[in-house]
Amino acid sequence: EVQLVESGGGLVQPGGSLRLSCAASGFTFSSYWMHWVRQAPGKGLEWVSRINTDERITNYADSVTGRFTISRDNAKSTLYLQMNSLRAEDTALYYCVRDLGGGDTDYWGQGTLVTVSS
Amino acid sequence: SYELTQPPSVSVSPGQTATITCSGENLENKNAFWYQQKPGQSPVVVIYQDSKRPSGIPERISGSNSGNTATLTISGTQAMDEADYYCKAWDRSTVIFGGGTKLTVL
Repeated sequence: EVQLVESGGGLVQPGGSLRLSCAASGFTFSSYWMHWVRQAPGKGLEWVSRINTDERITNYADSVTGRFTISRDNAKSTLYLQMNSLRAEDTALYYCVRDLGGGDTDYWGQGTLVTVSS
Repeated sequence: SYELTQPPSVSVSPGQTATITCSGENLENKNAFWYQQKPGQSPVVVIYQDSKRPSGIPERISGSNSGNTATLTISGTQAMDEADYYCKAWDRSTVIFGGGTKLTVL
């Protein structure tokens, strides 16, 4: 069974940093591109970033470029999102998502909540 | 930057047809995807590549994409279809989501 379990969320002050993790299981993690998608409380979905299988290709939304870094450890089947210079508008539930190819995604985690507040 | 526009809400009576639109410049030249999200749950793809249904998605859910508009159609709408629906497309290696449409089954 495919499982994506996010962790690392919490309360952080504006300007602070946080690293999210997504532990993958039930599939060959190293064979799949992966994404982070976020959803502010009561709001819509916002794509954050994606990474290819060997970390050579990464893409970011304009809203996080220069502040967030996506990475992965295929040996540990884990996806990461390093978030720096956090702002109140980064407050959201962050989902880890598996890419299916062809622009499609299939499995989503349950998300980890990040709250940026003083 | 590329934008996708959806109506904030759509209402439909049980058994009737619900239509949710997603507008974007030359959207027909991109693949459109649709996600369903119920309260407290993660999104689930219901349509991919304009009109394809993943396994397990009922045939009464269909999609199309022409011109500047992608359309999600739910025929014979049921109470279980009440949810938020998001369209998605790719633009220059980034993913764009529409603002979402709340479907209410009255």
